[in-house]
Amino acid sequence: QVQLVESGGGVVQPGGSLRLSCATSGFTFSPSGMRWVRQAPAQGLEWVALIRYNDIKEYADSVEGRFTISRDKSKNTVYLQMNSLTTEDTAVYYCARAGSGGDLDYWGQGTLVTVSS
Amino acid sequence: IVLTQSPGIVSLSPGERATLSCRASHSVASNYLAWYQQKFGQAPRLLIYGVSTRATGIPDRFSGSGSGTDFTLTISRLEPEDFAVYYCQHYGGSPAYTFGQGTKLEIK
Repeated sequence: QVQLVESGGGVVQPGGSLRLSCATSGFTFSPSGMRWVRQAPAQGLEWVALIRYNDIKEYADSVEGRFTISRDKSKNTVYLQMNSLTTEDTAVYYCARAGSGGDLDYWGQGTLVTVSS
Repeated sequence: IVLTQSPGIVSLSPGERATLSCRASHSVASNYLAWYQQKFGQAPRLLIYGVSTRATGIPDRFSGSGSGTDFTLTISRLEPEDFAVYYCQHYGGSPAYTFGQGTKLEIK
């Protein structure tokens, strides 16, 4: 079955960096689009970044220039490199697979990133 | 596109019918409108995509409808496990994905 497992979250000081990983299995990774979505404490969902099947990348304005999405097709893993972190980046970060209808059909369990001094 | 969900909180009893609304600031021409259910401490789960297509394994008491700027998620007969937060989501344009602020469905 499809599985997405995030890792790499933790506590980091403002201005610091963190790299999240999302290991996938149960589907053909290479032609799949992957996304990162975050959820601040007691808040709603916010899309962060996407990487398309052809490796085109897009970012939310709030993270443009600070975050980088990438993938390693040999490891079926997608990454989110986060730099210049601020307290507003504190959230649970989910990776998700792009569905066929503009949806996100499978999600990981999430990894918590806390930016605090 | 900005998505506005209403009501913010709805209180109903098991067995009742739930009608959740999602209004878009501009017409959704592509039918890229989805609904998710999120229970406390869990990841969101896809319920409906393409406005009205149920995702794999979703019971038929869940249905989606609408067009243009007005969309609805209906749960025909609430089960105890349906009490959760529901989000609508649109794909396309900039930003690529937008979510509504959510509707909390609570037990009356």
